[in-house]
Amino acid sequence: DVKVTQSSRYLVKRTGEKVFLECVQDMDHENMFWYRQDPGLGLRLIYFSYDVKMKEKGDIPEGYSVSREKKERFSLILESASTNQTSMYLCASSFAGSGEQYFGPGTRLTVT
Amino acid sequence: GQSLEQPSEVTAVEGAIVQINCTYQTSGFYGLSWYQQHDGGAPTFLSYNALDGLEETGRFSSFLSRSDSYGYLLLQELQMKDSASYFCAVRDNYGQNFVFGPGTRLSVLP
Repeated sequence: DVKVTQSSRYLVKRTGEKVFLECVQDMDHENMFWYRQDPGLGLRLIYFSYDVKMKEKGDIPEGYSVSREKKERFSLILESASTNQTSMYLCASSFAGSGEQYFGPGTRLTVT
Repeated sequence: GQSLEQPSEVTAVEGAIVQINCTYQTSGFYGLSWYQQHDGGAPTFLSYNALDGLEETGRFSSFLSRSDSYGYLLLQELQMKDSASYFCAVRDNYGQNFVFGPGTRLSVLP
């Protein structure tokens, strides 16, 4: 079974803190994605990566950065957390050219 | 801009058939995917259409019309466990990126 794991299920941080969310996949997928999910807005793409050290901005990259130093690991960084970044964060991976994404369990981040 | 539209809610009874529509306007198009998400869970993949027509997988079928920028997910013989949110997603940007719709919440009643 494909497994996508995320470092935390729940996280509470203070405004201004630097936050790291990590995602690891075990299927040798080329593509990895970070989404945030908010009620009524569906999943919105923050960043994606199609190869090691490669990244592309999604629809809402402001306030976020990413890092992909190894193929299996994709990190999302909130440089200075703000309350409007309180959300569910979902990581996903897929083979290049595939319409099928595999999602991790999500991290519910609360910024106070 | 890029946008996908789905009904926000659909209600049906056990054993019935329900269709969830998705219309899209995106800068590129490589295919349409469908995902299911139960409350508190992660989205799970259901189906993918790259070409026009109907794809069937058990009780679930998905249809695509590229000329109409339209697709639907058909769920047959509804079961209580099918109560969940369903998202359509377009694969675009040279096939590397995905844009998701806002989701349709399906409630299956006994």
